[in-house]
Amino acid sequence: DVKVTQSSRYLVKRTGEKVFLECVQDMDHENMFWYRQDPGLGLRLIYFSYDVKMKEKGDIPEGYSVSREKKERFSLILESASTNQTSMYLCASSSGTSGRAEQFFGPGTRLTVL
Amino acid sequence: GQQVMQIPQYQHVQEGEDFTTYCNSSTTLSNIQWYKQRPGGHPVFLIQLVKSGEVKKQKRLTFQFGEAKKNSSLHITATQTTDVGTYFCAGCRGNEKLTFGTGTRLTIIP
Repeated sequence: DVKVTQSSRYLVKRTGEKVFLECVQDMDHENMFWYRQDPGLGLRLIYFSYDVKMKEKGDIPEGYSVSREKKERFSLILESASTNQTSMYLCASSSGTSGRAEQFFGPGTRLTVL
Repeated sequence: GQQVMQIPQYQHVQEGEDFTTYCNSSTTLSNIQWYKQRPGGHPVFLIQLVKSGEVKKQKRLTFQFGEAKKNSSLHITATQTTDVGTYFCAGCRGNEKLTFGTGTRLTIIP
C-alpha cells in the first residue's frame, strides 16, 4: 500500500525557533512537494523537488527552505518560525517527470507558532 | 501565474440533494484532477480528466472537463453523509506543476 508519512501530526513552537518537518515516501517517487493549507486559500505550494538534491520554489517559498538528500525523504525547514507560519503542512509525492501525475499526500502536520 | 478558482467556497445541502462544485482556470489546462479531503484527513485523488469535453462517472459522482479546457465541474447526485468533506480541483498547464483550487467544503444536513 502506498504510503507518505510525516514526522509529527501536531507541533507547537515558539517564534524564532528553527523547525524541521520531515516527510518520507515508500513508493520510489521522483517528485515530492510541500504545501500549506489555510482556510479559504486551498493548498499552496511552498517547494517541490523532482530529484535528489534538486529543488524548485513554489508559489510561497519565502521563510522556508527544503532539503532532499535521499530520494525517499523531503524536509521542510523554517529557519526562524513566525506566527504567520501557523498552518497545516502537507507533504505529497508523485511519480514521473511531469506535473500530470496523481499526488499522494501524507497525513499533515498542524504547526502552531506561539 | 496560473490561477485556479473554485466556487462555491462552502455548500450545505440536505441529505439526498444534489451538489455541484465548479473549477475555473485563467489559462488552458492540459489536465484536471479532483481530490477529496475528509474532515481531519488529507487529500485523496479521485480522478483525472485530459480530453476537451470529457465526462467521467464514479457511481454518484460525475466529472466534466470543459470544451475549452479552462473549467471543470464535479456533480454529486443524491448526497450521502459519506460525501462530507472538501473537494479540490487541480490543474496543470503542459508539464508544469499542479495548481490546486481553493476547494469547496461540503456539509450534509441529515
